[in-house]
Amino acid sequence: NAGVTQTPKFRVLKTGQSMTLLCAQDMNHEYMYWYRQDPGMGLRLIHYSVGEGTTAKGEVPDGYNVSRLKKQNFLLGLESAAPSQTSVYFCASTLSGGGPYEQYFGPGTRLTVT
Amino acid sequence: GESVGLHLPTLSVQEGDNSIINCAYSNSASDYFIWYKQESGKGPQFIIDIRSNMDKRQGQRVTVLLNKTVKHLSLQIAATQPGDSAVYFCAATTGGSYIPTFGRGTSLIVHP
Repeated sequence: NAGVTQTPKFRVLKTGQSMTLLCAQDMNHEYMYWYRQDPGMGLRLIHYSVGEGTTAKGEVPDGYNVSRLKKQNFLLGLESAAPSQTSVYFCASTLSGGGPYEQYFGPGTRLTVT
Repeated sequence: GESVGLHLPTLSVQEGDNSIINCAYSNSASDYFIWYKQESGKGPQFIIDIRSNMDKRQGQRVTVLLNKTVKHLSLQIAATQPGDSAVYFCAATTGGSYIPTFGRGTSLIVHP
């Protein structure tokens, strides 16, 4: 199993540009999450999904959109990037049913917005 | 809402010592707790978890202790090795939620 993978690993955007981060998991997990991690701030939840076709807002959803068209994929979109969105983004997934359980994290995407 | 915090942002130890990383949580209804390890440039990795019906759980070289009375948990690492150098996060969930609240992390530095 590859676990949780993220594409791309690094990206530099100019203010106002858009991009999509892709997360894929091969563990048949129902729940998927997008977090951002900033120095000294820990992990903050952006959006999450409890199953295919569903999404919900987390703690810091503004400026981001998500889609879960397939169970194994969870996409994070930035429509108009801002310097405040410079961060490291982590995707995670977890089992459902009888839980909660630990989350499995991807390797991260380092995004810089200039 | 729930808040989860770690007592010290940095902990320095000598190789071979035992390390203790502490975490406090605010919601007495929290019922599931996890410790993650994050090495530089990588995503967090599960170390050990504990549910609120337990006080202690042991893994390989790691032990988690839960004190529900004072809303505190700790991660103990035995015979700390340089490979243990990382940032350690605790996370808590409440009422069977699948949305954990993360602490800010403690950086463990192991000196050879």
